[in-house]
Amino acid sequence: KNQVEQSPQSLIILEGKNCTLQCNYTVSPFSNLRWYKQDTGRGPVSLTIMTFSENTKSNGRYTATLDADTKQSSLHITASQLSDSASYICVVSAGGATNKLIFGTGTLLAVQP
Amino acid sequence: SAVISQKPSRDICQRGTSLTIQCQVDSQVTMMFWYRQQPGQSLTLIATANQGSEATYESGFVIDKFPISRPNLTFSTLTVSNMSPEDSSIYLCSVGRDYYEQYFGPGTRLTVT
Repeated sequence: KNQVEQSPQSLIILEGKNCTLQCNYTVSPFSNLRWYKQDTGRGPVSLTIMTFSENTKSNGRYTATLDADTKQSSLHITASQLSDSASYICVVSAGGATNKLIFGTGTLLAVQP
Repeated sequence: SAVISQKPSRDICQRGTSLTIQCQVDSQVTMMFWYRQQPGQSLTLIATANQGSEATYESGFVIDKFPISRPNLTFSTLTVSNMSPEDSSIYLCSVGRDYYEQYFGPGTRLTVT
């Protein structure tokens, strides 16, 4: 069964600190992996996208890594800001005939002053 | 990317009534999708809205409960029919050239009392 699991479920950090969010997936065949940021009451916004051959991708203070062998990804946030408080969702595209997006349940990040 | 708007942004509805949600895109797009995000859950695809033909529904979702229209390449509606409290969710539309590249609207927060 295609699944995407994220950890931790929620996280509280102090402003200025770094954090790393984890994503494990069992999706086959694999096409690409995205990290989305979803602010409360808003739709998800794409942060990064990585294909099978890419193992790191940065977008400002956000850096995503992908290990296609172990089927793990991480999202590292550097020098956190209050505006980083949001839900971060890992989404894997299942290639082939399935051709669908498999969504993780997200990590809820709270950045406190 | 595309600019996507949804109406209404939120609503409180009574059990047994229906609500139609509109999704407008600022450019012509091939594919439009409707998702549901129940409280504390991740996104679940309801259906793919096809222009000029019937929508394609995912397992567990039926046309009688969630009728969809797609009259042109920039607009779609989702109706939540005969609502019950279990339908309380955020409903999101997304657009893209294909399943892999999707941009999400801001969502419609529905509460059924």
